Amino acid sequence: GAGVSQSPSNKVTEKGKDVELRCDPISGHTALYWYRQSLGQGLEFLIYFQGNSAPDKSGLPSDRFSAERTGGSVSTLTIQRTQQEDSAVYLCASSLLGQGAGELFFGEGSRLTVL
Amino acid sequence: AQKITQTQPGMFVQEKEAVTLDCTYDTSDPSYGLFWYKQPSSGEMIFLIYQGSYDQQNATEGRYSLNFQKARKSANLVISASQLGDSAMYFCAMRERNTGNQFYFGTGTSLTVIP
Repeated sequence: GAGVSQSPSNKVTEKGKDVELRCDPISGHTALYWYRQSLGQGLEFLIYFQGNSAPDKSGLPSDRFSAERTGGSVSTLTIQRTQQEDSAVYLCASSLLGQGAGELFFGEGSRLTVL
Repeated sequence: AQKITQTQPGMFVQEKEAVTLDCTYDTSDPSYGLFWYKQPSSGEMIFLIYQGSYDQQNATEGRYSLNFQKARKSANLVISASQLGDSAMYFCAMRERNTGNQFYFGTGTSLTVIP
């Protein structure tokens, strides 16, 4: 596809369950970012992958959160033992640094609701 | 310290008037980029405009212009001839080279265009 693809678009889960959110970036984009956005709030940085470098995990709120990026392409954000405060929209973005502005291209987000 | 500060939680503008959304930033990196994104109620993040730290002229994209005052570390977005469809959240963001091209977002400004 032409844009950043995220799945699922909506996920409702029970407290304590694990969830996986997937991001398929734009082909060829070397940088991939995950953000979290609570209702009516700004973007909270979670994690950043750039090429083969070690990811910047400084934004992950707890050890229940983890992410990987396989083959420099698809990324999965995993939340273990979900809590109600994890409810938010999780946004993925990719970027091709070194060309033009290098702006972020965002997916449509995965809305997570923890009951 | 906040990397990006947006001090206007909400703004109102009359249709067809111009409006300025404020953004100040904090960095010691000589190489950085400044971005503005629009987020309508649908939730998608739309890239509007980019200004590089070495750019001599203010960036313009259609009705959007960026008032870049480097010494004051401000990057205000000016929307001319406001339209009803401009009602949305607007986020200012900065990418720093020294932090490995990490993106920092402000808390956003909610703009409402009044008919």
